[in-house]
Amino acid sequence: ENVLTQSPGTQSLSPGERATLSCRASQRVISSYLAWYQQKPGQAPRLLIYGASRRATGIPDRFTGSGSGTDFTLTISRLEPEDFAVYYCLQSGTSLTFGGGTRVEFK
Amino acid sequence: EVQLVESGGGVVRPGGSLRLSCAASGFTFDDFGMSWVRQAPGKGLEWVASINWNGRSTAYADSVKGRFTISRDKAKNFLDLQMNGLRTEDTALYYCAREYQYDSSGYFGPLGNWGQGTLVTVSS
Repeated sequence: ENVLTQSPGTQSLSPGERATLSCRASQRVISSYLAWYQQKPGQAPRLLIYGASRRATGIPDRFTGSGSGTDFTLTISRLEPEDFAVYYCLQSGTSLTFGGGTRVEFK
Repeated sequence: EVQLVESGGGVVRPGGSLRLSCAASGFTFDDFGMSWVRQAPGKGLEWVASINWNGRSTAYADSVKGRFTISRDKAKNFLDLQMNGLRTEDTALYYCAREYQYDSSGYFGPLGNWGQGTLVTVSS
């Protein structure tokens, strides 16, 4: 099983600040089958990034994904009030695994 | 518009069985792999099972292997999850999800569309 470890567990920031979220895999992720999701309370997850760095349809360009192999990063360049949420990474391929999540909260 | 509507959740005793269904519409069902993902109350997302576009390839999380079975009915555009030997730790909101894009690689792709979930509670 490819274990994904997300850090930090919680990031306390203010609107307009930059958020940097990390996702580290225990094994290499196949051909960058790495995705990022945003989840708000009471809602289903929303796909932000797939293929490690490709934005899904309708996702603003303040969301940027990067990385390869076992180390991946989601950067939110300037936090908007609606960006405060929990973020998950997902690796897929022969099976799927989610990271434990990073909560981005108001400072 | 892609729509995924889950049903079949409820309260069941430990050791019992439940069958979840997901009605899919707004896209060509046969073109996409499908998955079940669950979320225990106040916890993170946990992948449960996936099935590829033609139903010939499946994969399961270790926590449910041998107890849960994923299947798809292409005539009715339904995804199912048969859950047997339920445990209290299976209590969660169960989401049905579709691959974001058609993927011919043989791998399971990222999940792009999600339903709103159906709640399963396992309790004595």
